[in-house]
Formats: sequence, structure tokens, C-alpha cells
Amino acid sequence: AQSVTQLGSHVSVSEGALVLLRCNYSSSVPPYLFWYVQYPNQGLQLLLKYTSAATLVKGINGFEAEFKKSETSFHLTKPSAHMSDAAEYFCAVSEGNNAGNMLTFGGGTRLMVKP
Amino acid sequence: GAVVSQHPSRVICKSGTSVKIECRSLDFQATTMFWYRQFPKKSLMLMATSNEGSKATYEQGVEKDKFLINHASLTLSTLTVTSAHPEDSSFYICSAYLNYGYTFGSGTRLTVV
Repeated sequence: AQSVTQLGSHVSVSEGALVLLRCNYSSSVPPYLFWYVQYPNQGLQLLLKYTSAATLVKGINGFEAEFKKSETSFHLTKPSAHMSDAAEYFCAVSEGNNAGNMLTFGGGTRLMVKP
Repeated sequence: GAVVSQHPSRVICKSGTSVKIECRSLDFQATTMFWYRQFPKKSLMLMATSNEGSKATYEQGVEKDKFLINHASLTLSTLTVTSAHPEDSSFYICSAYLNYGYTFGSGTRLTVV
């Protein structure tokens, strides 16, 4: 069984400050991990994914995440927040890398960026 | 890049009627699609996995007779909410798997009045 926990349902940062969104997972097999962003009334857009290659994954819009097996974590970071980064962020895990594997989502973290 | 087109984006229907939501994969074939439901300020909950040419696999607690899924071709999956009730009001999102990743539709906001 797989599960995802996102610590902090709401995170508020100032524009230009570091963004850190936390994600911990559990999986019975080596996981595939994803971060998605969702803007209001829209679907999900993939930010980045970890698929057992490099542990530090770089994504779009300046985001990156580091897979730490010992901590079962996949935290999302961005050095400097933009106002346009305000959105809902979801961490997700899959136990395989093919069409039959479902994604399990964390509860989501709403990122607010203050001017 | 790969796109999943979902329609309609918004629909308002009367209680007791049925609503069909379409999810199309553009420029690629999707043998498997996933249907999610998202409550306000909540995460996505998988409702069912739709497989082309076979019956959908529903998650525990999801009424298959209420949420009819049809995946008749490699580019189209549909979700029909039958005899809709206000508690069915929600945001529904489809997803397809392609090239070691998942692509999501833009979602459908269903409001049952």
C-alpha cells in the first residue's frame, strides 16, 4: 500500500523568500514520486517527477525536489517565491511506472505568497 | 506535449438528471484513464480506472451504477453521473498515462441544483 502525507495544509511566504513544501511517503516498493500544481478551477500540471534516476530533480518554474530514501521524503523547494506561485500543490506517489499504476495524492498544500 | 481534453468545464444540472463528462486524449492513445473527484479544498480521490474495451475498475465506496464509465476507444473515456443529487456536486478530473507520466484534464465543475 502507498500513502502520502503533506505537512502543512497552508504555507505562507513573502515574495522572494524560500519556498519549502513538505512531502513524506510510504511505499512497499521503490516509489515514483510526483509534484503537481493546481490553479483554481483547473486540472493538475506536472512540476517534476522522480523515477529512480537522480535524487535531485529539477522541474519547471524554478522548482526542485530531493528524494531522500532514509527520510522517506520528497520535499519541494524554490529559492525565491513569485506571486504567480500562489496555488495548490500536490505530492503524489506511484508504485510503478506503467499505465496500470494509480497515483495516490497527498492532502495538498496551499501556497500563499505575500507581496 | 500530450494533452487531455476534458469537457465540459462547468455544468449545472437539475437533481435527478444525468450528466456526461468527456475526456479525450489528443495526439496519443490512452489505454488507461483515471477518474478523480475533488471536494472543495481537498485532495483528489481516485474514483475508478478506465480501461479501453473492458469494464472500469472502481475504488471501494464508489457506486458503479451511479458513476458510469465508458472507454470505448483509445482516445475517449466518458463519466456519466446518473440521477444526480446535490451531494454529487464536485470537481471531476480525468487523467491519462503517457510516457512515464500522467497528464490531467482541466477538470469539470459539476453543480447539481
